Amino acid sequence: GESVGLHLPTLSVQEGDNSIINCAYSNSASDYFIWYKQESGKGPQFIIDIRSNMDKRQGQRVTVLLNKTVKHLSLQIAATQPGDSAVYFCAENSNYQLIWGAGTKLIIKP
Amino acid sequence: NAGVTQTPKFQVLKTGQSMTLQCAQDMNHNSMYWYRQDPGMGLRLIYYSASEGTTDKGEVPNGYNVSRLNKREFSLRLESAAPSQTSVYFCASSDRGRGTDGYTFGSGTRLTVV
Repeated sequence: GESVGLHLPTLSVQEGDNSIINCAYSNSASDYFIWYKQESGKGPQFIIDIRSNMDKRQGQRVTVLLNKTVKHLSLQIAATQPGDSAVYFCAENSNYQLIWGAGTKLIIKP
Repeated sequence: NAGVTQTPKFQVLKTGQSMTLQCAQDMNHNSMYWYRQDPGMGLRLIYYSASEGTTDKGEVPNGYNVSRLNKREFSLRLESAAPSQTSVYFCASSDRGRGTDGYTFGSGTRLTVV
């Protein structure tokens, strides 16, 4: 069936370094992907999205890359800050439904 | 501008009790959703409403019912709560007609069924 999954459950990054969070998806027909950030005790917060007709999209300190050939999605966070500590989810939007991966916990080392 | 508001924030139920989780959005979004999130997991869709007057089952609808009361409000009801329904419940809304389809989430309802 359809599934979206993440490669690494936990990622530790030195403060100031760049973070890369990866995601694999299995539905090649999906045309829209979203990254969310979820801080402890809060609801998911929209970070950035990308449509399947794009390979790259940039936001403020974040970049999403989409490789449709291998069905891979990544989120790059530049100059990681303590406030970036959270669980990051990729999600695939298909017919009004979001299909979520399990999440990657990003830990910032001082 | 509150976004998506969920009530209550916390609830403890006994097995077999019923309750309704309330959700309201003030962004004039067409679509609304109910998700549950179990520890260490992503969100799973329970029910959604693509537009006012319509509701559809998601991935895990059993044990739940929903009502799209109007464009703003979308409630989730547990008729006979079970311990397996212990979870954090999130309501979300989106407007697929705009440039971004990003969903806006409420802050969640932590439900414990004992």
